[in-house]
Amino acid sequence: DTGVSQNPRHKITKRGQNVTFRCDPISEHNRLYWYRQTLGQGPEFLTYFQNEAQLEKSRLLSDRFSAERPKGSFSTLEIQRTEQGDSAMYLCASSLGHRPLYNEQFFGPGTRLTVL
Amino acid sequence: AQKVTQAQTEISVVEKEDVTLDCVYETRDTTYYLFWYKQPPSGELVFLIRRNSFDEQNEISGRYSWNFQKSTSSFNFTITASQVVDSAVYFCALSGMEANFGNEKLTFGTGTRLTIIP
Repeated sequence: DTGVSQNPRHKITKRGQNVTFRCDPISEHNRLYWYRQTLGQGPEFLTYFQNEAQLEKSRLLSDRFSAERPKGSFSTLEIQRTEQGDSAMYLCASSLGHRPLYNEQFFGPGTRLTVL
Repeated sequence: AQKVTQAQTEISVVEKEDVTLDCVYETRDTTYYLFWYKQPPSGELVFLIRRNSFDEQNEISGRYSWNFQKSTSSFNFTITASQVVDSAVYFCALSGMEANFGNEKLTFGTGTRLTIIP
């Protein structure tokens, strides 16, 4: 079990460019979450997948953002036409949703995006 | 709507002192879950503890202890005999009733930056 991995760890881009991040959850975890953390703040929920289905999107996820989880394995988060306000740490978490009560989320190291 | 408030932005204590991090939450859900996470300078969130709303027993794990009080909607975290390695940002978080139906999304506070001075 190698934990949740995210790539790239750092991304610097110019305003207006598109960027894509990848998250590989812990093997067999069927639930996957994306969060965004800006400087000095706590992480904020963006979206959630159960297997390949995207079941909830936060109002923070504007139409420039799109997330996918083909085949219920890894997930990608794409930001189109980046803006300086998109600069943040993007965190991915996964959980094994097999119990009726809460299932812990395990977080990846994050991808730090800087938009110049 | 759910909300988590961590009023202490930064705390500094001398090594070996005890320190308490405060957390106050708001939710209308009758079932909910409370958490503490640690975020060291490396950035990765490390899970510390989860408490269920129907279990108000306090918990101790080594130098860490947690005080959950539903009457005041608080879930405070105490580190005894602090060490330099405890320096990090600590987040309190809440997950509501949706968790019982599969959506375990977390609502985080703004965090408390703890610095232990050697």
